Amino acid sequence: DAGITQSPRHKVTETGTPVTLRCHQTENHRYMYWYRQDPGHGLRLIHYSYGVKDTDKGEVSDGYSVSRSKTEDFLLTLESATSSQTSVYFCAITPTQGKTEAFFGQGTRLTVV
Amino acid sequence: SQQGEEDPQALSIQEGENATMNCSYKTSINNLQWYRQNSGRGLVHLILIRSNEREKHSGRLRVTLDTSKKSSSLLITASRAADTASYFCATDALAGGGADGLTFGKGTHLIIQP
Repeated sequence: DAGITQSPRHKVTETGTPVTLRCHQTENHRYMYWYRQDPGHGLRLIHYSYGVKDTDKGEVSDGYSVSRSKTEDFLLTLESATSSQTSVYFCAITPTQGKTEAFFGQGTRLTVV
Repeated sequence: SQQGEEDPQALSIQEGENATMNCSYKTSINNLQWYRQNSGRGLVHLILIRSNEREKHSGRLRVTLDTSKKSSSLLITASRAADTASYFCATDALAGGGADGLTFGKGTHLIIQP
C-alpha cells in the first residue's frame, strides 16, 4: 500500500466548531487531493495541491480551506462545521500531473451533529 | 459536475459469471481509470487506459474505450465473491492538464452471489 495516512479515521463534532483533517504521505508525491464521498454523488474534489504552499479549489470548495506547509502533509479545515459537511473524506496523492493512478487514504468519516 | 457516469448503478450476479459495467463521460480526456472500493475502505486503482488506446487487459479485467462515444466498459470475467465492491470510473480531463484531479462517476455497486 502507498504510504498515505489520514487522521482521524472517525470524528463526531458539533455544528459551528472548527475541524481539521490531516493527510500524511511518505511517498514524496507532489500532488495531493481532498475528496468527499456522499451517497448518490460519488467522489467530488474539494481542494488540491500541486506543491508546497500551492493549492487550488475543486468542485465543492465552499466552507473548506486547505494548507500544505510540507510536502508530506495536506490539511483540510472546516472553519465552522455544518451538517451538510457530514461525509466521508478521502485524501489522494499522485506522483505526476495527471496521467497516472491515484493512491487513496482509508478515509475519514466525519459526522456533524 | 460529474464527468463520468457508471451504468448500471447496481449489479448482482452469480459467482463465476462475467460482470460488465459501463461509464460515459462528457469532455475530452487524457486517460480513463477504473477504481474499486470495498465497503468502508479507500479506492484502489485497477486499470488505466489512455485516450489513444482502445482496449486493455489486466488479469481478469478487460477495459475498452470508445472516445468517439465518450464511453468505456469494464469487464470482470469469472467473478469471485471477493469482487463484491463498488467500481468507479475516473477521468483526467484533457483541458485541465491533469493537475486538478480526477473526476469520478457515482459508481456501480457489484454484488457477487455465492
